[in-house]
Amino acid sequence: DAGITQSPRHKVTETGTPVTLRCHQTENHRYMYWYRQDPGHGLRLIHYSYGVKDTDKGEVSDGYSVSRSKTEDFLLTLESATSSQTSVYFCAISESRERINEQFFGPGTRLTVL
Amino acid sequence: SQQGEEDPQALSIQEGENATMNCSYKTSINNLQWYRQNSGRGLVHLILIRSNEREKHSGRLRVTLDTSKKSSSLLITASRAADTASYFCATDARAAGNKLTFGGGTRVLVKP
Repeated sequence: DAGITQSPRHKVTETGTPVTLRCHQTENHRYMYWYRQDPGHGLRLIHYSYGVKDTDKGEVSDGYSVSRSKTEDFLLTLESATSSQTSVYFCAISESRERINEQFFGPGTRLTVL
Repeated sequence: SQQGEEDPQALSIQEGENATMNCSYKTSINNLQWYRQNSGRGLVHLILIRSNEREKHSGRLRVTLDTSKKSSSLLITASRAADTASYFCATDARAAGNKLTFGGGTRVLVKP
């Protein structure tokens, strides 16, 4: 497995609370991504980063924010969690612009919002 | 919206048989990739085929791409119980800002 860890691996929280998920990589890859996976939708891109402090929105970014202050860490924050954000969240990395779409995935975080 | 749509959604076969799944997409692509996901795990990259390629092999995997039909197929030959997983196609298209767009996946069950 590529050196990607996600924390926490499981979380149960209540509607309206803030939640931060962390992705940590040891590969020194430039690009990092956050996806959510829901039945019937496959993986959908939430936000991505193309360098430290450089981030952009994906397909389903509403209700989420991200930060990347170091190459190795990419944080996903739900400012006020809603039940519709119950999902499995995956972080992914890719090495370079030339290999931008050969992505390596972390193990996922299962988030339940009650 | 999903760029890639896999077919069938689920597939059950006996060990040793071949498994074939298809992916259709809507817009012109730069390349198409296949990923595998074992239950409770992240996705693992299997193979990438570029828009100017028609067929690619990797071990027991064979991928074809027909850009005129906007479709791809993944063939797993001589399947094993360990091939039980979900398989996803992902397209890289300029229309999607050159970011990956995933289909809903095909669940494959290989029975011993």
